[in-house]
Amino acid sequence: KAGVTQTPRYLIKTRGQQVTLSCSPISGHRSVSWYQQTPGQGLQFLFEYFSETQRNKGNFPGRFSGRQFSNSRSEMNVSTLELGDSALYLCASREGGGTSSYNEQFFGPGTRLTVL
Amino acid sequence: AQKVTQAQTEISVVEKEDVTLDCVYETRDTTYYLFWYKQPPSGELVFLIRRNSFDEQNEISGRYSWNFQKSTSSFNFTITASQVVDSAVYFCALSEAFGAQKLVFGQGTRLTINP
Repeated sequence: KAGVTQTPRYLIKTRGQQVTLSCSPISGHRSVSWYQQTPGQGLQFLFEYFSETQRNKGNFPGRFSGRQFSNSRSEMNVSTLELGDSALYLCASREGGGTSSYNEQFFGPGTRLTVL
Repeated sequence: AQKVTQAQTEISVVEKEDVTLDCVYETRDTTYYLFWYKQPPSGELVFLIRRNSFDEQNEISGRYSWNFQKSTSSFNFTITASQVVDSAVYFCALSEAFGAQKLVFGQGTRLTINP
């Protein structure tokens, strides 16, 4: 099976712009989570989607949003970009999305966003 | 709230030395999972191990070993006979066993193995 794929791998934007990042989970995986990695804050959970519904969200402003499509692919959007949004954005997928049993998360290679 | 602390920001050793990466965690859950991930320069998080809170047995996989001690809330990672290819950032993480299962990461330890 192909792994988690993320596009684009690198992105440069300017302050005030918006950006959309894409994540394709492993085939058969229905849950997608997003994480932000910055030098200052480290790795932080953004949100998780399962069956096109956001199930959990981390402590991020409303400028960060996402969605999931019926084929489980997910996009995240950041509006009105700030310099501090420069980060590596990692996507992870897991089979099912059950809350009563553990499902391993598999990470993609990430999208490196630079905001100038 | 869950928290993971990796007090060692950077470690540098000479090849073939043994090195231990420390991880201390906090959680109110009685059932949880602990993880170690490796992040090479390419950026992708590579899964190394997952440990259930009920299983305190130490684990060895080749040159890697993990020591889980619930009494001290620690989950330390040892690399024996380190190699240059082990150079990376290593993250310890914690997840609730049920519910959302989001990962809470430590700040990471940058390990450099010098030839």
